[in-house]
Amino acid sequence: IVLTQTPLSLPVTPGEPASISCRSSQSLLDSDDGNTYLDWYLQKPGQSPHLLIHTLSSRASGVPDRFSGSGSGTDFTLNISRVEGEDFGVYYCMQRLEFPFTFGPGTKVDIK
Amino acid sequence: ELHLVQSGGGLVKPGGSLRLSCAASGFTFSVSNMNWVRQAPGKGLEWVSSISRNSTYIFYADSVKGRFTISRDNAKNSLSLHMNNLRGEDTAVYYCAGGYDILDSWGQGTPVTVSS
Repeated sequence: IVLTQTPLSLPVTPGEPASISCRSSQSLLDSDDGNTYLDWYLQKPGQSPHLLIHTLSSRASGVPDRFSGSGSGTDFTLNISRVEGEDFGVYYCMQRLEFPFTFGPGTKVDIK
Repeated sequence: ELHLVQSGGGLVKPGGSLRLSCAASGFTFSVSNMNWVRQAPGKGLEWVSSISRNSTYIFYADSVKGRFTISRDNAKNSLSLHMNNLRGEDTAVYYCAGGYDILDSWGQGTPVTVSS
């Protein structure tokens, strides 16, 4: 399963919203359980990635509610309602519907 | 969440072998599916291998199949990746990551450099 992300680079003014798109080469909906296995990660410079959103729209523990995930089938979006200083870094989408798990190429969000 | 601390890695010649370890603390290791993910210098994330809670299911990326072996010891809360016949393209920072069904815990990463 191939994931593409747009844009690959996103300059953002702190306090403004941001949106990242992730598209899959096939549906990530599991017809057996009804879940969509698309996750979002943020990797800050020099750090390990950390999970933001799992299973399409569930925020991971401790993730602020300014982050939200949406979409269906093959088209997904990560929205940040108001970007804060700690939100800058590279965002990756990842599918875990089937092996091999695959990541998108990443979207670098930096200060405008 | 798990707390994952990695060890191993370093510089190895092409064709050589290396073992990465990941020590977990937290009572949930035995019920966590575990993974290795790598990141080549300046590149994105690449999934390498997964092992299920009781080691019943194991999967590898095609790029490492037949050369890498993932294993775990639930009694010792540990995860390993044995890497054989290493190539230049295996040079990367390797992360262990896992959770109940999601990758919500990540190790600090350990660099592996394959070079003569």
